Amino acid sequence: QVQLQESGPGLVKPSETLSLTCTVSGGSMTGYYFNWFRQPPEKGLEWIGNIYYSGNTNYNPSLKSRVTVSMDTSKNQFSLILNSVTAADTAIYYCVRQSGGYKPFDLWGRGTLVTVSS
Amino acid sequence: QSALTQPASVSGSPGQSITISCTGTSSDIGSYNLVSWYQQHPGKAPKLMIYEGNKRPSGVSNRFSGSKSGYTASLTISGLQAEDEADYYCCSCAGNVGTITWLFGGGTKLTVL
Repeated sequence: QVQLQESGPGLVKPSETLSLTCTVSGGSMTGYYFNWFRQPPEKGLEWIGNIYYSGNTNYNPSLKSRVTVSMDTSKNQFSLILNSVTAADTAIYYCVRQSGGYKPFDLWGRGTLVTVSS
Repeated sequence: QSALTQPASVSGSPGQSITISCTGTSSDIGSYNLVSWYQQHPGKAPKLMIYEGNKRPSGVSNRFSGSKSGYTASLTISGLQAEDEADYYCCSCAGNVGTITWLFGGGTKLTVL
């Protein structure tokens, strides 16, 4: 059974860089799209961006200038980097798999809370 | 692009049916037949309930159904059960081929009375 698990610091200082990793266990990354989402406390979901197993990326225009999504298939991992964070970036961050670029988001990690605070 | 529009809350009694609407524009719901719906219980990750407008993933009850008319998609839950109480989010593809983005509604809190 394929599972996704987010990992990374739970606290980041304002103006610094948020860095998260998602480990894919129980299956291959080949042929899939891997996404990052976030959900501020008591608020709705926001798509951050994704990466195809070939390395092609696509980002939310509102975050594109600060976001990088990368992949290491040898480790079965993909990562999120968000630069110059502010308190508005405090959220639960989810890693999510898609079986195609227009397919639904059918496999979610449990999520990890990242708080931006000094 | 702006978020999709959902009612903040809906409620119903056990056994009843409810419908949650999700309104978009010609650039998202109106352009793609790719609306999906997600159920989220408190403290849990979202779960896919409906995709491509009206398809159910394996394991999702047939009490859940989806539809679309124009720029508005809808999720209907029939035979309400206590376990259906959760937040529900709609999602649609938007933008042009090669530079698509994904939009969500603000979420609808379903209360089972």
